[in-house]
Amino acid sequence: GQQVMQIPQYQHVQEGEDFTTYCNSSTTLSNIQWYKQRPGGHPVFLIQLVKSGEVKKQKRLTFQFGEAKKNSSLHITATQTTDVGTYFCAATAGAQKLVFGQGTRLTINP
Amino acid sequence: DAGITQSPRHKVTETGTPVTLRCHQTENHRYMYWYRQDPGHGLRLIHYSYGVKDTDKGEVSDGYSVSRSKTEDFLLTLESATSSQTSVYFCAISESRKQMNTEAFFGQGTRLTVV
Repeated sequence: GQQVMQIPQYQHVQEGEDFTTYCNSSTTLSNIQWYKQRPGGHPVFLIQLVKSGEVKKQKRLTFQFGEAKKNSSLHITATQTTDVGTYFCAATAGAQKLVFGQGTRLTINP
Repeated sequence: DAGITQSPRHKVTETGTPVTLRCHQTENHRYMYWYRQDPGHGLRLIHYSYGVKDTDKGEVSDGYSVSRSKTEDFLLTLESATSSQTSVYFCAISESRKQMNTEAFFGQGTRLTVV
Protein backbone atom coordinates (compact mmCIF):
# COMPACT_ATOMS: atom_id res chain seq x y z
CA GLY A 1 0.00 0.00 0.00
CA GLN A 2 0.97 3.62 -0.28
CA GLN A 3 3.45 4.77 2.30
CA VAL A 4 4.85 8.12 3.20
CA MET A 5 8.26 8.15 4.80
CA GLN A 6 9.11 11.03 7.07
CA ILE A 7 12.51 12.16 8.31
CA PRO A 8 14.03 12.86 10.70
CA GLN A 9 12.26 10.98 13.49
CA TYR A 10 13.57 13.41 16.11
CA GLN A 11 15.03 16.90 16.01
CA HIS A 12 16.32 18.95 18.91
CA VAL A 13 17.13 22.61 18.31
CA GLN A 14 18.00 25.71 20.22
CA GLU A 15 15.26 28.28 20.35
CA GLY A 16 15.67 30.59 17.39
CA GLU A 17 17.16 27.96 15.11
CA ASP A 18 15.36 26.73 12.02
CA PHE A 19 13.72 23.33 11.67
CA THR A 20 12.78 21.22 8.64
CA THR A 21 10.98 17.91 8.29
CA TYR A 22 10.69 15.97 5.05
CA CYS A 23 8.06 13.62 3.69
CA ASN A 24 8.70 11.27 0.77
CA SER A 25 6.58 8.87 -1.24
CA SER A 26 7.47 6.33 -3.91
CA THR A 27 4.25 7.13 -5.74
CA THR A 28 2.74 10.37 -6.99
CA LEU A 29 0.45 11.93 -4.42
CA SER A 30 -2.81 13.68 -5.24
CA ASN A 31 -2.32 15.95 -2.26
CA ILE A 32 -0.53 16.07 1.07
CA GLN A 33 -1.58 17.32 4.46
CA TRP A 34 0.43 18.42 7.48
CA TYR A 35 -0.59 18.08 11.11
CA LYS A 36 0.85 19.12 14.46
CA GLN A 37 0.43 17.21 17.69
CA ARG A 38 1.35 18.91 20.93
CA PRO A 39 2.62 16.69 23.76
CA GLY A 40 -0.34 14.88 25.30
CA GLY A 41 -2.69 16.20 22.64
CA HIS A 42 -4.26 15.06 19.41
CA PRO A 43 -3.15 15.86 15.85
CA VAL A 44 -4.40 19.16 14.51
CA PHE A 45 -4.56 20.01 10.82
CA LEU A 46 -2.16 22.68 9.59
CA ILE A 47 -2.43 22.77 5.82
CA GLN A 48 -3.12 20.88 2.61
CA LEU A 49 -1.03 21.11 -0.56
CA VAL A 50 -2.48 20.08 -3.90
CA LYS A 51 -0.55 21.56 -6.79
CA SER A 52 2.84 20.53 -8.13
CA GLY A 53 5.54 22.86 -6.79
CA GLU A 54 3.09 24.57 -4.44
CA VAL A 55 4.49 26.69 -1.62
CA LYS A 56 2.35 27.97 1.22
CA LYS A 57 3.27 30.01 4.26
CA GLN A 58 1.72 30.37 7.67
CA LYS A 59 3.69 32.98 9.61
CA ARG A 60 7.02 31.25 10.35
CA LEU A 61 5.98 27.95 8.73
CA THR A 62 6.68 27.25 5.05
CA PHE A 63 5.19 24.21 3.34
CA GLN A 64 6.36 22.91 -0.03
CA PHE A 65 5.05 20.24 -2.39
CA GLY A 66 7.58 18.83 -4.84
CA GLU A 67 7.35 19.27 -8.58
CA ALA A 68 6.79 15.55 -9.05
CA LYS A 69 4.29 15.48 -6.16
CA LYS A 70 6.30 12.77 -4.44
CA ASN A 71 7.80 14.79 -1.64
CA SER A 72 6.96 17.61 0.69
CA SER A 73 8.62 19.61 3.42
CA LEU A 74 7.73 21.77 6.38
CA HIS A 75 10.20 24.45 7.41
CA ILE A 76 9.95 26.52 10.57
CA THR A 77 11.99 29.69 10.73
CA ALA A 78 13.33 30.86 14.09
CA THR A 79 11.69 28.24 16.27
CA GLN A 80 9.87 29.21 19.44
CA THR A 81 8.99 27.05 22.42
CA THR A 82 5.39 27.00 21.21
CA ASP A 83 6.56 25.01 18.18
CA VAL A 84 7.32 21.97 20.34
CA GLY A 85 5.42 18.88 19.24
CA THR A 86 5.30 16.17 16.62
CA TYR A 87 4.71 17.09 12.99
CA PHE A 88 3.07 14.60 10.66
CA CYS A 89 2.51 14.50 6.96
CA ALA A 90 -0.45 12.55 5.61
CA ALA A 91 -1.60 11.40 2.19
CA THR A 92 -4.63 9.71 0.74
CA ALA A 93 -4.27 6.22 -0.67
CA GLY A 94 -7.39 5.64 -2.71
CA ALA A 95 -10.95 5.72 -1.39
CA GLN A 96 -10.01 8.26 1.25
CA LYS A 97 -7.63 5.95 3.08
CA LEU A 98 -5.64 8.56 4.98
CA VAL A 99 -2.16 7.36 5.91
CA PHE A 100 0.38 9.21 8.02
CA GLY A 101 4.12 9.43 8.05
CA GLN A 102 5.98 8.38 11.17
CA GLY A 103 6.20 11.97 12.38
CA THR A 104 9.07 14.21 13.43
CA ARG A 105 9.23 15.04 17.08
CA LEU A 106 10.60 18.54 17.67
CA THR A 107 12.04 19.55 21.01
CA ILE A 108 13.44 22.99 21.72
CA ASN A 109 16.03 24.19 24.20
CA PRO A 110 14.99 27.64 25.41
CA ASP B 1 -13.03 21.88 17.95
CA ALA B 2 -15.02 19.61 15.65
CA GLY B 3 -17.80 17.60 17.23
CA ILE B 4 -16.01 14.33 17.74
CA THR B 5 -15.85 12.45 21.00
CA GLN B 6 -14.21 9.21 22.00
CA SER B 7 -15.22 6.99 24.86
CA PRO B 8 -13.87 5.85 27.14
CA ARG B 9 -10.87 8.17 27.47
CA HIS B 10 -8.94 5.66 29.55
CA LYS B 11 -9.34 1.96 30.02
CA VAL B 12 -7.43 -0.83 31.68
CA THR B 13 -8.42 -4.33 30.69
CA GLU B 14 -7.15 -7.85 31.08
CA THR B 15 -5.61 -9.98 28.39
CA GLY B 16 -8.19 -12.02 26.54
CA THR B 17 -11.17 -9.80 27.24
CA PRO B 18 -13.14 -8.05 24.49
CA VAL B 19 -12.99 -4.26 24.40
CA THR B 20 -15.04 -1.78 22.40
CA LEU B 21 -14.06 1.81 21.83
CA ARG B 22 -16.59 4.30 20.58
CA CYS B 23 -16.21 7.30 18.31
CA HIS B 24 -19.14 9.68 17.98
CA GLN B 25 -19.37 12.64 15.61
CA THR B 26 -21.90 15.41 15.18
CA GLU B 27 -20.42 16.76 11.93
CA ASN B 28 -22.16 14.35 9.53
CA HIS B 29 -18.80 13.62 7.92
CA ARG B 30 -18.67 10.65 5.58
CA TYR B 31 -15.26 9.26 6.48
CA MET B 32 -14.21 7.92 9.84
CA TYR B 33 -10.89 6.40 10.86
CA TRP B 34 -9.32 4.53 13.71
CA TYR B 35 -5.59 4.92 14.34
CA ARG B 36 -3.25 3.68 16.98
CA GLN B 37 -0.27 5.67 18.13
CA ASP B 38 2.83 4.07 19.58
CA PRO B 39 6.30 5.55 20.18
CA GLY B 40 8.40 5.35 17.05
CA HIS B 41 5.49 4.32 14.83
CA GLY B 42 3.51 7.49 14.37
CA LEU B 43 -0.16 7.08 13.55
CA ARG B 44 -1.02 3.74 12.04
CA LEU B 45 -4.36 3.16 10.37
CA ILE B 46 -6.37 0.28 11.79
CA HIS B 47 -9.67 0.50 9.91
CA TYR B 48 -11.63 3.18 8.19
CA SER B 49 -15.16 3.75 6.97
CA TYR B 50 -16.40 5.53 3.88
CA GLY B 51 -20.09 5.28 4.70
CA VAL B 52 -22.66 3.47 6.78
CA LYS B 53 -21.78 -0.23 6.78
CA ASP B 54 -18.86 0.48 4.42
CA THR B 55 -15.53 -0.25 6.05
CA ASP B 56 -12.08 -1.35 4.98
CA LYS B 57 -8.83 -2.46 6.55
CA GLY B 58 -5.85 -0.32 7.27
CA GLU B 59 -2.24 -1.34 7.73
CA VAL B 60 -2.60 -2.87 11.21
CA SER B 61 -6.08 -4.41 11.20
CA ASP B 62 -5.27 -7.86 12.65
CA GLY B 63 -7.06 -8.39 15.96
CA TYR B 64 -9.46 -5.52 15.39
CA SER B 65 -12.93 -5.25 13.92
CA VAL B 66 -15.15 -2.23 13.31
CA SER B 67 -18.77 -1.41 12.74
CA ARG B 68 -20.62 1.61 11.50
CA SER B 69 -24.36 1.23 11.71
CA LYS B 70 -25.01 4.98 11.80
CA THR B 71 -23.25 7.93 10.23
CA GLU B 72 -22.32 9.34 13.61
CA ASP B 73 -20.87 6.25 15.30
CA PHE B 74 -17.79 4.18 14.50
CA LEU B 75 -16.96 1.37 16.89
CA LEU B 76 -13.60 -0.35 17.24
CA THR B 77 -13.59 -3.79 18.86
CA LEU B 78 -10.65 -5.75 20.13
CA GLU B 79 -12.03 -9.27 20.06
CA SER B 80 -9.54 -10.62 22.57
CA ALA B 81 -7.21 -7.97 23.90
CA THR B 82 -3.46 -8.64 23.97
CA SER B 83 -0.66 -6.69 25.60
CA SER B 84 0.58 -5.64 22.15
CA GLN B 85 -2.65 -3.68 21.76
CA THR B 86 -1.75 -1.39 24.63
CA SER B 87 -1.70 1.96 22.88
CA VAL B 88 -3.35 5.31 22.40
CA TYR B 89 -6.23 5.09 19.96
CA PHE B 90 -7.41 8.05 17.93
CA CYS B 91 -10.57 8.41 15.93
CA ALA B 92 -10.69 10.89 13.07
CA ILE B 93 -13.31 12.18 10.64
CA SER B 94 -13.10 13.86 7.28
CA GLU B 95 -15.13 14.77 4.24
CA SER B 96 -14.57 14.75 0.52
CA ARG B 97 -15.02 17.72 -1.77
CA LYS B 98 -14.20 17.78 -5.46
CA GLN B 99 -12.93 14.20 -5.17
CA MET B 100 -10.35 15.19 -2.61
CA ASN B 101 -10.27 14.62 1.10
CA THR B 102 -10.60 17.59 3.38
CA GLU B 103 -8.82 18.07 6.68
CA ALA B 104 -9.20 15.34 9.25
CA PHE B 105 -10.43 16.18 12.73
CA PHE B 106 -9.27 14.02 15.59
CA GLY B 107 -10.85 12.98 18.82
CA GLN B 108 -9.05 13.39 22.13
CA GLY B 109 -7.80 9.81 22.11
CA THR B 110 -8.34 6.72 24.24
CA ARG B 111 -5.48 5.36 26.30
CA LEU B 112 -5.89 1.59 26.48
CA THR B 113 -3.77 -0.59 28.72
CA VAL B 114 -3.96 -4.36 28.47
CA VAL B 115 -2.54 -6.14 31.51
